[in-house]
Amino acid sequence: QQQVKQSPQSLIVQKGGISIINCAYENTAFDYFPWYQQFPGKGPALLIAIRPDVSEKKEGRFTISFNKSAKQFSLHIMDSQPGDSATYFCAARGGGSNYKLTFGKGTLLTVNP
Amino acid sequence: DADVTQTPRNRITKTGKRIMLECSQTKGHDRMYWYRQDPGLGLRLIYYSFDVKDINKGEISDGYSVSRQAQAKFSLSLESAIPNQTALYFCATGTGTTGELFFGEGSRLTVL
Repeated sequence: QQQVKQSPQSLIVQKGGISIINCAYENTAFDYFPWYQQFPGKGPALLIAIRPDVSEKKEGRFTISFNKSAKQFSLHIMDSQPGDSATYFCAARGGGSNYKLTFGKGTLLTVNP
Repeated sequence: DADVTQTPRNRITKTGKRIMLECSQTKGHDRMYWYRQDPGLGLRLIYYSFDVKDINKGEISDGYSVSRQAQAKFSLSLESAIPNQTALYFCATGTGTTGELFFGEGSRLTVL
């Protein structure tokens, strides 16, 4: 059972465009929704995260939009740059003291110059 | 130096061999995790440990075992490696105060 569904699997965007990656979840006990960025040959690193009591969080060119009723959240990358080319993973954390993260399958983003 | 160090970074082995992947961290975190990454499947949790005396199975623990030798060290073992265990393995650490995980750079294992 896949608890966090991520789409699309891959995405190609032109420099300056907007990249949008979507995730959906089923478990209403999830209480923390991070996005991780992974460059080739490296481990994933936290990019931005949101808690379900807010609908949007913005950090620079990166924005998470969160829709609690629909159980969906998305990552928007504004003014996408070639340096943003990486694999992006959404994730969700179990509630309470359960700090396990369940990851989506990942999106390979390519930003063409 | 990396905060989360994995050794070896690359390993090629044969079916049936015992393999150990090691992870050490200098972040002082109590919680340590082993994930497996396969193309198109994302990151799947193998085992996790919230302190030295605590070991928990993740979603894909079959065929794997772990040892938490100290707060800073968490090893993953494949007792008898099989080809479908060919993957990229990540160790991660975290605290109990935030949800952030800190990943190592990965250990690529190939089982022939």
